Amino acid sequence: DAGVIQSPRHEVTEMGQEVTLRCKPISGHDYLFWYRQTMMRGLELLIYFNNNVPIDDSGMPEDRFSAKMPNASFSTLKIQPSEPRDSAVYFCASSRLGRNEQFFGPGTRLTVL
Amino acid sequence: AQSVAQPEDQVNVAEGNPLTVKCTYSVSGNPYLFWYVQYPNRGLQFLLKYITGDNLVKGSYGFEAEFNKSQTSFHLKKPSALVSDSALYFCAVRESGNTPLVFGKGTRLSVIA
Repeated sequence: DAGVIQSPRHEVTEMGQEVTLRCKPISGHDYLFWYRQTMMRGLELLIYFNNNVPIDDSGMPEDRFSAKMPNASFSTLKIQPSEPRDSAVYFCASSRLGRNEQFFGPGTRLTVL
Repeated sequence: AQSVAQPEDQVNVAEGNPLTVKCTYSVSGNPYLFWYVQYPNRGLQFLLKYITGDNLVKGSYGFEAEFNKSQTSFHLKKPSALVSDSALYFCAVRESGNTPLVFGKGTRLSVIA
C-alpha cells in the first residue's frame, strides 16, 4: 500500500486566494482526520470523518475552512480566502475501524504571503 | 476529556546512553496510548501502542514504553540512543477505539555524538 497520499506537498499563495489541499487515505480505512501543525500551537485536530461523514468539525478555526469527503478514497480541505496566519503544515491521517493506529500522510506545507 | 502532557520540550542525550521521553495522561476510562516520531519535513510515524496486557510495550527501532497506571504515565525509552533517533516525539491518548487521538505538544530529542 502506498500509504496516505497528500497533494500538493508545498503550496505558496497570496493572501485572499483559495487553497485546496487533497488527501487519499489508505484503502479500507474508515476514518480520515485533518490536522494542522504550527510551532506555536503544535498539532491540532481540525475535523474527522467516519465512512465519509463528518463527525466532529469543532477544530475548524473559522468559516473560511471547509472539508469534504465525497467518497472513501478522497478528501479535500479548502481555505477561502486564505490569510498569512493559515501558514502551517497540514496533515491528513487515516485509520481502520477496530484498529487503533492512525497513519499519517507526508503533509502539505502551506505558506500564505 | 482526555489530555496528554509532555513535560519536556527538549531532551538531550549522548549517543550510546539510555534515553527517556516522558508522557503523562488523563482519561476517564481505560487509556489507549501511543507514541509517534516525526523526522524533519516528514509526517508522523507510529512507534508503538499500549491497549491492554503487558505494561512494557516494545515498538519500532528498539524503542519501548512502560505503562504505569498508578502514575498515569507512559514514558518512552531506549537502552542505547543513536544520533539517528534525533527527532520530534509525540505521545497520544484516546479513550475508546474510534475517537480521535489527543496529542501532546511533542518533545524534541537530540542525540549528540
